[in-house]
Amino acid sequence: NAGVTQTPKFRILKIGQSMTLQCTQDMNHNYMYWYRQDPGMGLKLIYYSVGAGITDKGEVPNGYNVSRSTTEDFPLRLELAAPSQTSVYFCASREGLNTEAFFGQGTRLTVV
Amino acid sequence: KNEVEQSPQNLTAQEGEFITINCSYSVGISALHWLQQHPGGGIVSLFMLSSGKKKHGRLIATINIQEKHSSLHITASHPRDSAVYICAVYGTASKLTFGTGTRLQVTL
Repeated sequence: NAGVTQTPKFRILKIGQSMTLQCTQDMNHNYMYWYRQDPGMGLKLIYYSVGAGITDKGEVPNGYNVSRSTTEDFPLRLELAAPSQTSVYFCASREGLNTEAFFGQGTRLTVV
Repeated sequence: KNEVEQSPQNLTAQEGEFITINCSYSVGISALHWLQQHPGGGIVSLFMLSSGKKKHGRLIATINIQEKHSSLHITASHPRDSAVYICAVYGTASKLTFGTGTRLQVTL
């Protein structure tokens, strides 16, 4: 099993550009999450999904969109990149409530 | 005040020392997760526990639900233990809430 796979690992965007961060898991997990990690801060939840076709906002959703058309994939879309979106992004998944979460390797995004 | 507080924020130890990292939380939880993150690296799960104590190699995690407190201990620390250790709690909803992490540096 590959676990949780994120692509790309690194990306530099110009202000106003768009991009999609990909996240795929092969564990048939229902719950999937997107977090951002800023220096000195705990991971903040951007969006999450409890199953295919169901998504919900987390603490910091502004500037982002998600979709969950399949159980495996949970892409995160940045429509108009801003310097404030410079961060490390982590995707995570877990089977259900009270089960262990598994994390991707992260995507380091810089907006210039 | 954060819902999950870790202490200390930074910790430097010499190889072989016994290390304790603390996590306190203010919300009701169903479980707690200890995670490890190496510099520039991904996040790896160490323990998930909802009561008592768990041990894996030189790592021990304990939790006291009544006191809303958990500790992560590293015995006989080694430079390869240098990393950020993160405490996360599973609340009553679907989400995890994370502490800001403890940066550990173990020197020779």
